[in-house]
Amino acid sequence: DADVTQTPRNRITKTGKRIMLECSQTKGHDRMYWYRQDPGLGLRLIYYSFDVKDINKGEISDGYSVSRQAQAKFSLSLESAIPNQTALYFCATSDHRTGNTEAFFGQGTRLTVV
Amino acid sequence: AQSVSQHNHHVILSEAASLELGCNYSYGGTVNLFWYVQYPGQHLQLLLKYFSGDPLVKGIKGFEAEFIKSKFSFNLRKPSVQWSDTAEYFCAVNKAGGGNKLTFGTGTQLKVEL
Repeated sequence: DADVTQTPRNRITKTGKRIMLECSQTKGHDRMYWYRQDPGLGLRLIYYSFDVKDINKGEISDGYSVSRQAQAKFSLSLESAIPNQTALYFCATSDHRTGNTEAFFGQGTRLTVV
Repeated sequence: AQSVSQHNHHVILSEAASLELGCNYSYGGTVNLFWYVQYPGQHLQLLLKYFSGDPLVKGIKGFEAEFIKSKFSFNLRKPSVQWSDTAEYFCAVNKAGGGNKLTFGTGTQLKVEL
C-alpha cells in the first residue's frame, strides 16, 4: 500500500466548477505539501503545512486553497477551476522531527479543466 | 529565495553511455540537495541526497552526484546507463534547518536507446 495516497488519480472537470483533491498519509509525518507539475516547468509549490494549525502559501497559491483536517490529511481545493490549472498535482510529506528533510510523494492526480 | 537550474532539458543516450546531468542552485546559505527520478506515469522517487559530509554521494541504481560548493553545483552521474533509466530527473534544494519545502529545477528528460 502507498504511504502517501492521493484521490482521485484522474479527474476531468469543467471551467468554473469547484474541485477538491485529497491526500492522506500513513507515514506519521508532520509536514505536508501540494505541488503542481507542468511540462518544462518542473514542480512548483502551491501550499504547505507544518502541522494541523499551520498553513502557508507557496509560490503559486492564487486560485487554490487548502485544509489540513488532521495530521494525516491535507486537501487542495480549486474554488473555480480554470483551464490553466490543468496539470499533474502531487502531494508530499516530510518529517521534521527526525531531522530528515527528504520528501515522499504520492502517485499524483492528473487534473484536466475543460 | 533559492532557485535551481537544470541546463539539459532533453538528453538522448545509447545504452552503456555515460551520463552527466547538470544542476546549479542559487542560495547564499547552507542547503540540502536532492535528485529525484520520475519514471513514465509514476510519482517522484528519491535517487540520492546530500546533507553534509562527503561531497560525493552515492544513490540507488548506480547513480552518484558530487556537491561542489564553490560552483553551487550538484551534478548527477552514472557511468553506464540502461534502457530502464529512461525517465525525467529533477534536482531539488531546500534550506538546511529552514524547513522541508523543496525548490525544484525544471527537469531533464532522459531517453536511453537500445
